[in-house]
Amino acid sequence: NAGVTQTPKFQVLKTGQSMTLQCAQDMNHNSMYWYRQDPGMGLRLIYYSASEGTTDKGEVPNGYNVSRLNKREFSLRLESAAPSQTSVYFCASSEAGPGNEQFFGPGTRLTVL
Amino acid sequence: GNSVTQMEGPVTLSEEAFLTINCTYTATGYPSLFWYVQYPGEGLQLLLKATKADDKGSNKGFEATYRKETTSFHLEKGSVQVSDSAVYFCALSVNDYKLSFGAGTTVTVRA
Repeated sequence: NAGVTQTPKFQVLKTGQSMTLQCAQDMNHNSMYWYRQDPGMGLRLIYYSASEGTTDKGEVPNGYNVSRLNKREFSLRLESAAPSQTSVYFCASSEAGPGNEQFFGPGTRLTVL
Repeated sequence: GNSVTQMEGPVTLSEEAFLTINCTYTATGYPSLFWYVQYPGEGLQLLLKATKADDKGSNKGFEATYRKETTSFHLEKGSVQVSDSAVYFCALSVNDYKLSFGAGTTVTVRA
């Protein structure tokens, strides 16, 4: 079991470039999430997918789009990157329902110049 | 809204010292409470959780008790090791899947 995998691990973009962060899980979880981690701010939810076929905005969705490609995969797209999107991005998954543990990927460190 | 406030760091301790990280919360509803840990260069992993008042979560020598009367979920360990050096996050969820995280507390344990 690989758990939650993310690609790439590192990325440097120029302002205005686009890119897609990939996430996959092999635990047959219904729910998947994208967070960003910034110093002193903990993790903030960007988007989530409660189940295959649904996506919803989290706390900080502006500048991002997501696709729940199938039950395993949940991608995050930056259409026109900005320096404010420099961050570490984490994907997570869980069983549906409150109180369930979320399993996190290793993260993608993104720098926008 | 829902929010978590946790003790600011960084915290530096000697091996075998006692560790406490304070966490208080505000929630509309009856939350589940979590402590996650992030070791250097890794993603977060669940350390312990509690889903109702007076529950005690425990794992790897760490403990936290869900105190509804003080809206707190403080993390404690009686004797820390160098391998406990990490960032610790308090979090909550209320009636849905989403987690609200505190800012994180960096703990460094010196040999």
